[in-house]
Amino acid sequence: DAKTTQPPSMDCAEGRAANLPCNHSTISGNEYVYWYRQIHSQGPQYIIHGLKNNETNEMASLIITEDRKSSTLILPHATLRDTAVYYCIVRVAGSPSNTGKLIFGQGTTLQVKP
Amino acid sequence: DAGVIQSPRHEVTEMGQEVTLRCKPISGHDYLFWYRQTMMRGLELLIYFNNNVPIDDSGMPEDRFSAKMPNASFSTLKIQPSEPRDSAVYFCASSRIAGGNEQFFGPGTRLTVL
Repeated sequence: DAKTTQPPSMDCAEGRAANLPCNHSTISGNEYVYWYRQIHSQGPQYIIHGLKNNETNEMASLIITEDRKSSTLILPHATLRDTAVYYCIVRVAGSPSNTGKLIFGQGTTLQVKP
Repeated sequence: DAGVIQSPRHEVTEMGQEVTLRCKPISGHDYLFWYRQTMMRGLELLIYFNNNVPIDDSGMPEDRFSAKMPNASFSTLKIQPSEPRDSAVYFCASSRIAGGNEQFFGPGTRLTVL
């Protein structure tokens, strides 16, 4: 799986958009970008994933650059409950047996402040 | 659905004792994963099962660790004998092969070996 690079920490004001960047310059053509987050003392939680088109769900939006070498997770109106570690992971979608493992890096610690 | 269920939530034991962690995956999920999380090493995949069969156990640290999945609704991770360096949070996750293959994590078991 391609490696990803994320800033170790970020701050965001409550109610403002949180934009979390991720670099994945060695991503392969069949690899998706996945985002998970881990709120303190809880298990990781799936947020969103995408291949090359921008994606949006009830939790967040995912913007992937045209060359697919980087992406940004956007939380449109951050709340205090969004304070967590956010992990960007690239992997092939499908069964683990042909996609490799879900490898978590160090992620970005997002602190949402009042 | 109640999500992935793990028990116990907390376990404190003494070095040399046997420890058994339990997991009930989400009904209908084909895959089950065991992860370990420590400050030093982050979140690591230990082993995963597909349809109750172990597929990849390359992350299991040593022979003291063993995992079983006797049926589709139950899995155990056993450590015998336990050592202080096994202290960590152990997560169980499950997923389906369909769609994005996102993994759903349980709340974790915090293990402390004295």
